[in-house]
Amino acid sequence: DVKVTQSSRYLVKRTGEKVFLECVQDMDHENMFWYRQDPGLGLRLIYFSYDVKMKEKGDIPEGYSVSREKKERFSLILESASTNQTSMYLCASSLWGGGSSRSDTQYFGPGTRLTVL
Amino acid sequence: TQLLEQSPQFLSIQEGENLTVYCNSSSVFSSLQWYRQEPGEGPVLLVTVVTGGEVKKLKRLTFQFGDARKDSSLHITAAQPGDTGLYLCARTSGTYKYIFGTGTRLKVLA
Repeated sequence: DVKVTQSSRYLVKRTGEKVFLECVQDMDHENMFWYRQDPGLGLRLIYFSYDVKMKEKGDIPEGYSVSREKKERFSLILESASTNQTSMYLCASSLWGGGSSRSDTQYFGPGTRLTVL
Repeated sequence: TQLLEQSPQFLSIQEGENLTVYCNSSSVFSSLQWYRQEPGEGPVLLVTVVTGGEVKKLKRLTFQFGDARKDSSLHITAAQPGDTGLYLCARTSGTYKYIFGTGTRLKVLA
């Protein structure tokens, strides 16, 4: 059974703190993604990685960084948390990625609900 | 970013009713995916449609891809409380990325 796990389901941090969100997948997938989900805005891509140590910016990378030192682990880092980063954060992995001629299944973790006070 | 618009945004219906939700774009896409997200969980893929006019069925759920590949619909027959959740459509964008719609939040009342 495929599995994507996230380190915390709920997290409360203070403004200015450094925050680490961890994601692990056990499917040997090449691609991993970090999204944030806000009401009325859907899922927005923050960063993605198509290989170890490779990363690319998504649509809303400002205020975030990522790390992928091992294939199975993809970390999202908030260098200095701000209240507008309060959100649900979803990690996903996929075998191939999107592609223009084929689609692939994205497997999502359960999400981390982050509150920044 | 090319948007995917979903309608309606919210839907509350009684058990046994039928419903249709829509996903529209101003541009053509090569394929479209539908996901369902239950409360407290991440989205789970329901189906991928790739051919214009394609219809796929998953038990009481019927998915249709528009002939022009710019829109898609999801029809649920005889909705049940277990169908409650957030329904998201998604399309590919470039080699690796996906774009998600804003979602339709469905509540089926027993």
